[in-house]
Amino acid sequence: GAVVSQHPSWVICKSGTSVKIECRSLDFQATTMFWYRQFPKQSLMLMATSNEGSKATYEQGVEKDKFLINHASLTLSTLTVTSAHPEDSSFYICSGQGGGFLANEQFFGPGTRLTVL
Amino acid sequence: QKEVEQDPGPLSVPEGAIVSLNCTYSNSAFQYFMWYRQYSRKGPELLMYTYSSGNKEDGRFTAQVDKSSKYISLFIRDSQPSDSATYLCAMAGAGSYQLTFGKGTKLSVIP
Repeated sequence: GAVVSQHPSWVICKSGTSVKIECRSLDFQATTMFWYRQFPKQSLMLMATSNEGSKATYEQGVEKDKFLINHASLTLSTLTVTSAHPEDSSFYICSGQGGGFLANEQFFGPGTRLTVL
Repeated sequence: QKEVEQDPGPLSVPEGAIVSLNCTYSNSAFQYFMWYRQYSRKGPELLMYTYSSGNKEDGRFTAQVDKSSKYISLFIRDSQPSDSATYLCAMAGAGSYQLTFGKGTKLSVIP
């Protein structure tokens, strides 16, 4: 199957700082990438959808100025959590979807655990 | 009513048992049905993918979709301790790339 990587896998930061998370599709071109957030014992909640070269589409309730998404190439998308606060602590997971796959098939990264002190 | 309902468990079974995991949904527009396996602190891994109604088998795993009842199932035969994980159902409508996930069912297979 297709491989998606995320970096870093775990990050701890102080409240008020910004954190950047990278999502890379290693062996396919991801025309669309998704960012999810998962709280403990909860399901994945879609935060935003991004298409290469376009602005991301954010889900209702997700602050686009706080969660900056850049999808500059077909293999890289970044999520920057700006002015992070403890309530932003969560497990952030990206996924990629590319042409040639079965419709709706997404390949997920291993996730990034963010802890804001 | 949530769009996708899934019993979070936890579900504990002895090794070798047949496991049945289920989801119900309310959105009749869903056409694509997936099951993902997620190990602790890892991203979800696609297990099964089904379009519309019917059954699909892959090794020890069988996925069933009953659109008339808005009910999907995943069966695991001869369960192994390595199957211990959280299983998430996910669905999408035709022409949509957005997945709607269930909460996930945590499964433990006891040796």
